[in-house]
Formats: sequence, structure tokens, C-alpha cells
Amino acid sequence: KQEVTQIPAALSVPEGENLVLNCSFTDSAIYNLQWFRQDPGKGLTSLLLIQSSQREQTSGRLNASLDKSSGRSTLYIAASQPGDSATYLCAVPTGGGGADGLTFGKGTHLIIQP
Amino acid sequence: NAGVTQTPKFRILKIGQSMTLQCTQDMNHNYMYWYRQDPGMGLKLIYYSVGAGITDKGEVPNGYNVSRSTTEDFPLRLELAAPSQTSVYFCASSLTGDLYGYTFGSGTRLTVV
Repeated sequence: KQEVTQIPAALSVPEGENLVLNCSFTDSAIYNLQWFRQDPGKGLTSLLLIQSSQREQTSGRLNASLDKSSGRSTLYIAASQPGDSATYLCAVPTGGGGADGLTFGKGTHLIIQP
Repeated sequence: NAGVTQTPKFRILKIGQSMTLQCTQDMNHNYMYWYRQDPGMGLKLIYYSVGAGITDKGEVPNGYNVSRSTTEDFPLRLELAAPSQTSVYFCASSLTGDLYGYTFGSGTRLTVV
């Protein structure tokens, strides 16, 4: 059974710092990995989707890497801003075919102090 | 392009009442999903559908029912609401699930008292 773990569970840093959020998964036979952002009381917003053939994806100040063989992904946030405060979720397809939905980590709750 | 639309956004139910959570997507996605999110527990899959007329149970299906009569709509039915069903419910869709990512609705916050 696929399991996803996110470390740390919570993180509070001053504005301007570069930071790394970690995600690990137990079954490396994945098609892709997706990072989401969730603001309090809101839905999930997709940040980055990395296909299994890719090693990284970038969007603005966000960079996500994927190492399938070791079962790890990292989300790098450069020059953090208070607006980055949110919960960040990592998810991988539950089954090999992709039809079975996603398995999520419990998230990293990020607070950026002004 | 509205994406995935969920209604209602909030609802309070009494124990034993029933209700239907609505989910509609306008992206012509084949795959649709219902998740529940409990504090500190992450998202758990309730039911999913790979196309009209096809539904399957996820990890936590007890107490729920679904139907998929059209590509666009995937309603979730609670027949006899229980306090354990107090949660935030998210609907999601995907074109194929493997090569494409998932799009989520904004959620329905349900409280059963």
C-alpha cells in the first residue's frame, strides 16, 4: 500500500528565507507526483506536477524535484513571503494505472513571519 | 472555465438526516473522485468513477453512495448522517489520472450534530 510522509509537519520562518519541504513515498512505481497548496478553509490548488520521467519542475519561486529510485520529492521555495503561508500537500497516484485516485501526505503547515 | 464546482459550501445536518453533495466539472474529464479531509488525517478517498455509469469504492466508502449518470456530474449521497461524517469533502477530477494532474473543487464543510 502506498504511503506518503511529509516532513516537517510544521515550519515557521522569517520572511525572505529559502526553504525546503520534504515528501517521501513507499512505492516508487509512480507515474507522477503533484504538489498542492491549501489555504485555511479553502480547497486545494495545484502548484506543480512532475512526471516520472522528469527530475524537476519550476514555477516562479517554486521548484520541485523528484527522485523515484529513492522515493523522495522536495519542494523548494525561494525568497519566502508572508503570502506563502499555507499548508503544502504532496500526493502520488495510488495505483499504477492512475485511476485509483491520489494518496496524500498529511501536509506541511508553513508560516512565514513578516 | 469553471473547473470543478461543489455545492453547498457549508451545511449543518442533524443525526439521521440525508443530503446530497453536488459536484460538477466542465473540463470533460473522465475520472472523478470524492475525498474527505479530517484535521491532522490528510485526505481519504471515498468513491471514484472512471466514466459515466462506472463507480468504485475508495478507502472509506461506508455511509456514502455515489452515482455517475453523466460525464460532468458526480454527486455524493449521505443517507443517514452520523457525527463521524463531520468533515470537509472535496471533489476532484482528472483527464486520465496517470499523465495528467488532478483538479479539486473548493470543498463542502459538513457538520453533523
